[in-house]
Amino acid sequence: SQTIHQWPATLVQPVGSPLSLECTVEGTSNPNLYWYRQAAGRGLQLLFYSVGIGQISSEVPQNLSASRPQDRQFILSSKKLLLSDSGFYLCAWSEGSSYNEQFFGPGTRLTVL
Amino acid sequence: ELKVEQNPLFLSMQEGKNYTIYCNYSTTSDRLYWYRQDPGKSLESLFVLLSNGAVKQEGRLMASLDTKARLSTLHITAAVHDLSATYFCAVEGGNQFYFGTGTSLTVIP
Repeated sequence: SQTIHQWPATLVQPVGSPLSLECTVEGTSNPNLYWYRQAAGRGLQLLFYSVGIGQISSEVPQNLSASRPQDRQFILSSKKLLLSDSGFYLCAWSEGSSYNEQFFGPGTRLTVL
Repeated sequence: ELKVEQNPLFLSMQEGKNYTIYCNYSTTSDRLYWYRQDPGKSLESLFVLLSNGAVKQEGRLMASLDTKARLSTLHITAAVHDLSATYFCAVEGGNQFYFGTGTSLTVIP
């Protein structure tokens, strides 16, 4: 069966510090991968998605970036965090085949102070 | 851009009552998904609706899809406290999901 991992689970960072969040998927090959952000009490905002190694599509201009160095690894980064980067970051995967039900990881709660 | 609207945004209902959450979307799509999110937790998949007229049921929840009306409903029967959560619908468009704003459901004893 497939599983998706995210770490860290929680993170408190000062403004201007760098960020690296990691997401890995097990039990599947060549998944589509997604990064979402959810502000407190709000809906989901798609940040990036990837259909393959090195292929990243950005949905929202921001100070965040994403990379996919391996088939089942997706990384979200920032060189300098802003207060507005606080939120709940969710990674998701889908098979990218006949239908694309997305399965979500446990999330990372980021607080920027 | 595909837009997805849910209503109501907030719903407070008594145990034992029935209610329906609505999900409208702006463009043609045959694929719609419902998720549940408990406070502080991730999203859990509830239903996958892949064609016009699709109906899925799990316990006290039933979801349906009308692609001609661009409408999906999530019907709650005889609500219980355990159903308190935020419910999201999502419509598939290309490689992306377009999520609704969410409906925060509180079931009161």
